[in-house]
Amino acid sequence: GEQVEQRPPHLSVREGDSAVITCTYTDPNSYYFFWYKQEPGASLQLLMKVFSSTEINEGQGFTVLLNKKDKRLSLNLTAAHPGDSAAYFCAVSAPSSFSKLVFGQGTSLSVVP
Amino acid sequence: NAGVIQTPRHKVTGKGQEATLWCEPISGHSAVFWYRQTIVQGLEFLTYFRNQAPIDDSGMPKERFSAQMPNQSHSTLKIQSTQPQDSAVYLCASRTGGQDTQYFGPGTRLLVL
Repeated sequence: GEQVEQRPPHLSVREGDSAVITCTYTDPNSYYFFWYKQEPGASLQLLMKVFSSTEINEGQGFTVLLNKKDKRLSLNLTAAHPGDSAAYFCAVSAPSSFSKLVFGQGTSLSVVP
Repeated sequence: NAGVIQTPRHKVTGKGQEATLWCEPISGHSAVFWYRQTIVQGLEFLTYFRNQAPIDDSGMPKERFSAQMPNQSHSTLKIQSTQPQDSAVYLCASRTGGQDTQYFGPGTRLLVL
């Protein structure tokens, strides 16, 4: 089945710097990709949903890149601030089911002033 | 919109006791998912209902775990004879039909002593 590898597991950056989190997946037929943010003690908050037909997606303060050839998904937080400190998870919609999400292992991001 | 509601938020059980976790999906959402989150295993899919019917339970442990969705307004996850390794945060998510985004509840943190 689909496997998703997320790197790095921990990331510490200074306020104003960028932070990049990358996921690689195995199934070339995967079509939907998600980034979720989880603050301590809280649930998963959707950051962005990406379709396989779109390579670059911009949100508020971040960019998501999808490279289908390399089966790589990345989240780039530009000008990180302390409020971005949280765990981030990528998730891929398993094509065999078109429903369940397969998650990466998560990245704990710390943004220091 | 209250979002996905999960109760209880925290539950402590003794080894061998039964635990029942409740999920109320967002009104109008036809699909309900259960996931388990641990430090070691990360986020794992357990089971999925669509229009109250069980669709995919490939992630459910074969013994002691069961899930039901008796009506469109709630789903339960029952763990019989709980074991310390069942300690985790159990997350419920719901979505509309098709390939829409899954919205997660706050989770139930289960601790088995």
